[in-house]
Amino acid sequence: AQRVTQPEKLLSVFKGAPVELKCNYSYSGSPELFWYVQYSRQRLQLLLRHISRESIKGFTADLNKGETSFHLKKPFAQEEDSAMYYCAPDNYGQNFVFGPGTRLSVLP
Amino acid sequence: DVKVTQSSRYLVKRTGEKVFLECVQDMDHENMFWYRQDPGLGLRLIYFSYDVKMKEKGDIPEGYSVSREKKERFSLILESASTNQTSMYLCASQPVGDGKHEQYFGPGTRLTVT
Repeated sequence: AQRVTQPEKLLSVFKGAPVELKCNYSYSGSPELFWYVQYSRQRLQLLLRHISRESIKGFTADLNKGETSFHLKKPFAQEEDSAMYYCAPDNYGQNFVFGPGTRLSVLP
Repeated sequence: DVKVTQSSRYLVKRTGEKVFLECVQDMDHENMFWYRQDPGLGLRLIYFSYDVKMKEKGDIPEGYSVSREKKERFSLILESASTNQTSMYLCASQPVGDGKHEQYFGPGTRLTVT
């Protein structure tokens, strides 16, 4: 069965500290990987996708096919990064599975 | 700008009532989804639809049904609401075509069943 794990339910870091939100997936084939974010009182939205190889709001995510991981990283966390983050592999539009989410809290 | 709207932000219903949640998207997307969002469980797919009148069960379809009579509208129906269906319900749409595409979410409907 397809599975996505995000081992931390809650991650607290201080402003300016590095942050890494972990995501591991168990999928057949080669899924496209996404990170979605939900800020307080806002709708869930795309943060970044693996295929774009881009940095969004200072976040990057590296796909490690050997470890089947897609961890989200930012070198210097900001208070406005506090939000709920979901990892989501999409295997050719046939599986729509989201991870359980990690709540990031950036402390002043 | 893609817009996905949901008919209600907050809804309170009694056990046994029939509940309709409506979702409308304005970008001609083929795929539409209904999820429920619960703390610690993330998003769980209830149903999705890849075309008008087409539907597929997700991971937790029990107690729910859906309707897609028009491309832009996807309705979630709780035939007889129960307290364990108290949750946040999210609708999403997704285009298909070249490559893989993100999902666009509505603002959510927080349903309380008493």
